[in-house]
Amino acid sequence: DAKTTQPTSMDCAEGRAANLPCNHSTISGNEYVYWYRQIHSQGPQYIIHGLKNNETNEMASLIITEDRKSSTLILPHATLRDTAVYYCIVRSRNNAGNMLTFGGGTRLMVKP
Amino acid sequence: EAQVTQNPRYLITVTGKKLTVTCSQNMNHEYMSWYRQDPGLGLRQIYYSMNVEVTDKGDVPEGYKVSRKEKRNFPLILESPSPNQTSLYFCASSSGTSVGTDTQYFGPGTRLTVL
Repeated sequence: DAKTTQPTSMDCAEGRAANLPCNHSTISGNEYVYWYRQIHSQGPQYIIHGLKNNETNEMASLIITEDRKSSTLILPHATLRDTAVYYCIVRSRNNAGNMLTFGGGTRLMVKP
Repeated sequence: EAQVTQNPRYLITVTGKKLTVTCSQNMNHEYMSWYRQDPGLGLRQIYYSMNVEVTDKGDVPEGYKVSRKEKRNFPLILESPSPNQTSLYFCASSSGTSVGTDTQYFGPGTRLTVL
């Protein structure tokens, strides 16, 4: 699976959009971009994933650049409960065990 | 409510005393998996199961056993626990069985300490 690079930490004001960037410049054609988050020591939570097109669900939007070398997760109206570590993961269709491998992630702090 | 449950949530035990961590999901998911999470090492897969009676090793299977006799349950067995198995353990399940179709739901975690 391709490696990802994320900022170590970010702050966001409550009610504002949180934009979390992820660089995956070595991504290949059969690799998906997934986002998960983890609130301190709780079970990770799936947010969204995509291959080429932008995606939106009830939690967030995922914007993938045309060359697929980077992406941005957007939480449209961040709340205090969105404070967590956010993991951007690139996963190959050839991933036999559907393994999730988290890197360092971005620690998002939503402030009142 | 759709969920993955794990028991116990916290366990302190001694070296060599066999233990089982249970995992159960109520979403009729085919795929289930066990991970451990350690500071600085991130999330590592122990075992996974694509369906009933089908299990396979992940990245760090040594010292662990699993079974999948029913779709909803996927227990993790430590036959002879050692201190290096002290960790935070997560069970996960997914309806999809391939990357691109899977959205893994995680349990709340089991914090295991082996003395």
